[in-house]
Amino acid sequence: SAVISQKPSRDICQRGTSLTIQCQVDSQVTMMFWYRQQPGQSLTLIATANQGSEATYESGFVIDKFPISRPNLTFSTLTVSNMSPEDSSIYLCSVVIGKHGYTFGSGTRLTVV
Amino acid sequence: AQSVAQPEDQVNVAEGNPLTVKCTYSVSGNPYLFWYVQYPNRGLQFLLKYITGDNLVKGSYGFEAEFNKSQTSFHLKKPSALVSDSALYFCAVRDSGNNDMRFGAGTRLTVKP
Repeated sequence: SAVISQKPSRDICQRGTSLTIQCQVDSQVTMMFWYRQQPGQSLTLIATANQGSEATYESGFVIDKFPISRPNLTFSTLTVSNMSPEDSSIYLCSVVIGKHGYTFGSGTRLTVV
Repeated sequence: AQSVAQPEDQVNVAEGNPLTVKCTYSVSGNPYLFWYVQYPNRGLQFLLKYITGDNLVKGSYGFEAEFNKSQTSFHLKKPSALVSDSALYFCAVRDSGNNDMRFGAGTRLTVKP
């Protein structure tokens, strides 16, 4: 399985600012996924990021709010833009190795004040 | 699109008793099913998965799950619960035709001494 380094692990941000979350994988992967886990909630898929193409966003998530970069096969970033308190969540990246080897990063706990 | 349901928000069991955490799924193709556990302030940890083969799948920490195609269920079980099993458990499903994983709402398991 892959090892994912996600940072920052947590941050407290002012409303109206933006935060970029980084996800580094120790092996090359085609697909990376970004999830959000709101307080007391389950994980919700934000988008799927493939290297060399634009990310595919799920219903309710837009690129202007959550721009994603995927410059190579081992790295991706998710930016939470123009933050409001409702964006306070845990954000996780995930990769799949082979057909079934899903691995998750340790998450970024974001608090917007 | 695939979906998964965890009908119980909370499960309480006494230490030493068997536990069951329920999960049902809906997919258009063949299901790939997963269980994850999340301890407080920690990331997701993989417990077990069903891809194909035996309907009874054994995973980490003594957990097992039984795939039941006719009932579209994948309930998580453990013969003898430990207090340290207390955590949030997520069932997840992936359709064989997709790569992204969808999560249930989660079930909070509390094991009392």
